[in-house]
Amino acid sequence: DTEVTQTPKHLVMGMTNKKSLKCEQHMGHRAMYWYKQKAKKPPELMFVYSYEKLSINESVPSRFSPECPNSSLLNLHLHALQPEDSALYLCASSQVVRGQPSSTDTQYFGPGTRLTVL
Amino acid sequence: LAKTTQPISMDSYEGQEVNITCSHNNIATNDYITWYQQFPSQGPRFIIQGYKTKVTNEVASLFIPADRKSSTLSLPRVSLSDTAVYYCLVGDILYTGTSGTYKYIFGTGTRLKVLA
Repeated sequence: DTEVTQTPKHLVMGMTNKKSLKCEQHMGHRAMYWYKQKAKKPPELMFVYSYEKLSINESVPSRFSPECPNSSLLNLHLHALQPEDSALYLCASSQVVRGQPSSTDTQYFGPGTRLTVL
Repeated sequence: LAKTTQPISMDSYEGQEVNITCSHNNIATNDYITWYQQFPSQGPRFIIQGYKTKVTNEVASLFIPADRKSSTLSLPRVSLSDTAVYYCLVGDILYTGTSGTYKYIFGTGTRLKVLA
């Protein structure tokens, strides 16, 4: 099973709402990632978790709050977002790389959540 | 961080072989080269990965010269459904202690359009 699932597929929220995006994988991967992708642009890394601990935060505004409650789940809590935060939010997972990388260390992406902020 | 350069767009016709070349002049010794395919409003899908020489799987081939400063993704006999953006990624692993996670910097990718 090489599937990463994300819910919901679509989300529309107002600027005062609080919502959460969810990501799940059952590949035994201990690294999980959040990316943001605007239309016709490449994905941009937001957060990286390794062994359920935040290891990379790419200077993301605090209105985005990640959480990794266990090794299979990754959440992204949203609060007081702006219309410019509307985008496709992608989750990915991979093996944690030990020593030199190998061909099994690739990232697997979910289908994304299309977020619209009104 | 290793950066990649690819053509922004390419057009091809159904049934043709398509070769997309990626330049990565500052690739590090331990870096792998990975290609992803992305359709609109979907997550990137892993296509192929290699370190040197040639790698082939059921959907593509990857050619890497000895100096590893470039790589070429080859898609045999493309169809309309191969119309997508193709990203070349190199290494970029951030190590904390003895283990690392990916810190991929996606480039612009190549928009491949397959025509009937």
